[in-house]
Amino acid sequence: NAGVTQTPKFRILKIGQSMTLQCTQDMNHNYMYWYRQDPGMGLKLIYYSVGAGITDKGEVPNGYNVSRSTTEDFPLRLELAAPSQTSVYFCASSYVTEQYFGPGTRLTVT
Amino acid sequence: AQRVTQPEKLLSVFKGAPVELKCNYSYSGSPELFWYVQYSRQRLQLLLRHISRESIKGFTADLNKGETSFHLKKPFAQEEDSAMYYCALQRGNYQLIWGAGTKLIIKP
Repeated sequence: NAGVTQTPKFRILKIGQSMTLQCTQDMNHNYMYWYRQDPGMGLKLIYYSVGAGITDKGEVPNGYNVSRSTTEDFPLRLELAAPSQTSVYFCASSYVTEQYFGPGTRLTVT
Repeated sequence: AQRVTQPEKLLSVFKGAPVELKCNYSYSGSPELFWYVQYSRQRLQLLLRHISRESIKGFTADLNKGETSFHLKKPFAQEEDSAMYYCALQRGNYQLIWGAGTKLIIKP
């Protein structure tokens, strides 16, 4: 089992560019989550999903979009990158309470 | 407001000394609390949850509703305990609210 995988590991974007952060899990978990972590701060929930076809906003959804067409995949889309989106992004999945995390994507927007 | 506070960004103790990482929360309902840990070059992972009342790697945490705290304790620190520790509070749909984390350094 690979668990939760995220690609890419690192990315530098110019302001206004768009990109998709990929997240895949092979544990057949219904729940999936996207977080961002800014330096010295805790994780903030961007979006989450309770199952294929169902997504909902978290604390900080502005500037992001998600989709969940399959149980395994939960991509995060940034449409118009802004410097405020410079952060480390974590994807996680869970069956119920325990969340399993991916390795993270370090994104810089300049 | 729902909030988790970890007042110490950094905690440094000697090997063999007791460790206490503080976590305070603000939540109107009945809280479910967790400690997650991230060792160097590893992924964030669950350490323990209050509801299971277990001891993992020698760590325990007791929920104190009166003081709204969920401090993580270990009587004798080991060098391998050095890591980032995050306290988290669960709300609906298994969403977690996270503290900012405490970096624990165990000195030899």
